[in-house]
Amino acid sequence: KNQVEQSPQSLIILEGKNCTLQCNYTVSPFSNLRWYKQDTGRGPVSLTIMTFSENTKSNGRYTATLDADTKQSSLHITASQLSDSASYICVVSAGGSYIPTFGRGTSLIVHP
Amino acid sequence: ETGVTQTPRHLVMGMTNKKSLKCEQHLGHNAMYWYKQSAKKPLELMFVYSLEERVENNSVPSRFSPECPNSSHLFLHLHTLQPEDSALYLCASSLGGGLAGGGGYNEQFFGPGTRLTVL
Repeated sequence: KNQVEQSPQSLIILEGKNCTLQCNYTVSPFSNLRWYKQDTGRGPVSLTIMTFSENTKSNGRYTATLDADTKQSSLHITASQLSDSASYICVVSAGGSYIPTFGRGTSLIVHP
Repeated sequence: ETGVTQTPRHLVMGMTNKKSLKCEQHLGHNAMYWYKQSAKKPLELMFVYSLEERVENNSVPSRFSPECPNSSHLFLHLHTLQPEDSALYLCASSLGGGLAGGGGYNEQFFGPGTRLTVL
């Protein structure tokens, strides 16, 4: 059964600090992995997408890594801002399937 | 804004009511999706419409009925819902993807969602 596990479930950090969110998956055969940011009351917005051959991808202060061997991904946020407070969702798609597998998300709160 | 709009944003209905959720995309996409997001649970894909074909998640109860009259509009018809159906219902669209292959590579753009409460 395809699964995506995210940790931690929630995280509180001070503004300006860095943080790393984790995603472990058992989706097979692997096609791609996305990180989404979902602000309260809004739909998710894609931050990065990574395929099998990509190890690192950045989008501004967001950097995603992928280790296809260990089936792990991380999302690193640098110099956090109050606007980074949101839920971060890891989504993994399998080759030949149109139904992606979603993680439960990590709720990030950035305090001033 | 993502180019995907949903109405209404909030809906409260009784278990015997019939209501519909509406989604419209202005991005020229050819695939549209309905998702259910419950508290503390992962997003659950309910239905996919791509190239005029429909695919559904077999676990979705028949009290949810989708309709896609064209590639820009998507409806979710609701009838005799249960309190456990209370959730955020998200619509998304993409260019390609869906049934067209790519394993979901094509980015899905989400609407703001409809917050549904069933009393």
